[in-house]
Amino acid sequence: EAGVAQSPRYKIIEKRQSVAFWCNPISGHATLYWYQQILGQGPKLLIQFQNNGVVDDSQLPKDRFSAERLKGVDSTLKIQPAKLEDSAVYLCASSPTGLMSPLHFGNGTRLTVT
Amino acid sequence: AQKITQTQPGMFVQEKEAVTLDCTYDTSDQSYGLFWYKQPSSGEMIFLIYQGSYDEQNATEGRYSLNFQKARKSANLVISASQLGDSAMYFCAMRALRGGTSYGKLTFGQGTILTVHP
Repeated sequence: EAGVAQSPRYKIIEKRQSVAFWCNPISGHATLYWYQQILGQGPKLLIQFQNNGVVDDSQLPKDRFSAERLKGVDSTLKIQPAKLEDSAVYLCASSPTGLMSPLHFGNGTRLTVT
Repeated sequence: AQKITQTQPGMFVQEKEAVTLDCTYDTSDQSYGLFWYKQPSSGEMIFLIYQGSYDEQNATEGRYSLNFQKARKSANLVISASQLGDSAMYFCAMRALRGGTSYGKLTFGQGTILTVHP
């Protein structure tokens, strides 16, 4: 099966600019996640979708971050305006329904804010 | 709230020897799952092994096994016969079953960098 697709692979922007990331999950996976991974740390969940509804966005900085999952498939994550501390790898993952279902991760987007 | 603690920032092991990576967790949930992921320097997250809270036997997957001690709330990863390709960051993670088909988020620990020496 095809894996989780993410683009772009790398992005460099200046602070206060905006940026968007795209994710296409594995076909049939109902749950989609966006994680932020700062260098040297474990991934932190930003938002979790079940189909096209939000399950958990408690750690999403909603004043600057937004995400949507149209038609329960692809998803975009946007940052506007970006800050220096947003420099990180943004990982998209998907999973089927089930406690024991592991998350399948994409290769991530490495964002550098200068 | 759930919390995962990995107390070993870095570990070293000789090729062909076994190594244990520690993981302790804290949760008030009764039903939960524990996962281990490997993240090589290339950045992808690779799923290794899963243990359910009600599983009576420790999980095994090839050279990976999970030493699950529920009373101690620990879920250590054991890698047998280490290979050079095992050098990577390793993350312990957990998620809880909240009721029906509602699942909590997958929470990760800080990770342990494993270096395998030839």
